[in-house]
Amino acid sequence: SQQGEEDPQALSIQEGENATMNCSYKTSINNLQWYRQNSGRGLVHLILIRSNEREKHSGRLRVTLDTSKKSSSLLITASRAADTASYFCATDRTGANSKLTFGKGITLSVRP
Amino acid sequence: GAGVSQTPSNKVTEKGKYVELRCDPISGHTALYWYRQSLGQGPEFLIYFQGTGAADDSGLPNDRFFAVRPEGSVSTLKIQRTERGDSAVYLCASSLTWTSGKETQYFGPGTRLLVL
Repeated sequence: SQQGEEDPQALSIQEGENATMNCSYKTSINNLQWYRQNSGRGLVHLILIRSNEREKHSGRLRVTLDTSKKSSSLLITASRAADTASYFCATDRTGANSKLTFGKGITLSVRP
Repeated sequence: GAGVSQTPSNKVTEKGKYVELRCDPISGHTALYWYRQSLGQGPEFLIYFQGTGAADDSGLPNDRFFAVRPEGSVSTLKIQRTERGDSAVYLCASSLTWTSGKETQYFGPGTRLLVL
């Protein structure tokens, strides 16, 4: 079963704009990770945020985590056409042996 | 260094046949995971190895699916009597250790399985 739910399901923006994607989950977690996937193949790890962290940055990426609301957001600033991909949040649930539970993903299109 | 590799990249088989999918994790990674991704969905967990042993196989859909990791490195996912519903992308991931909550999982490019 899939725990995470991302929204929106699809997002289309102009190059240079910021993209904000949200993820909600249902159970307590050890960490939450965001991945990017191009063309339905391998997943590229973007960022991991632990349950005791509230915000992390990596380059143009900013991730927040609100454990009280069981939600996370991924912000991509100054988007580029190359950011066009599917984005997934994945949770490492407490007591779940490190296996990840993914949402259905968000399709981001960045128009040049 | 080299990332996670998976072979073959594509596999077409007929209903009822047996298939093996191979995963080479990042060198030195002790934890290895298999996931399956159907079209339009996120990956779903199948099985997880700590070293040579399967620590959690709760995601395997039925007894037609089996995975091994005999030497604690390369893993093989085996599917017997394939069905059309097994068609999906099978993803392998590895992490340095299995310390819960602390390790990033690095994914391979996947094997796209099509059962006709």
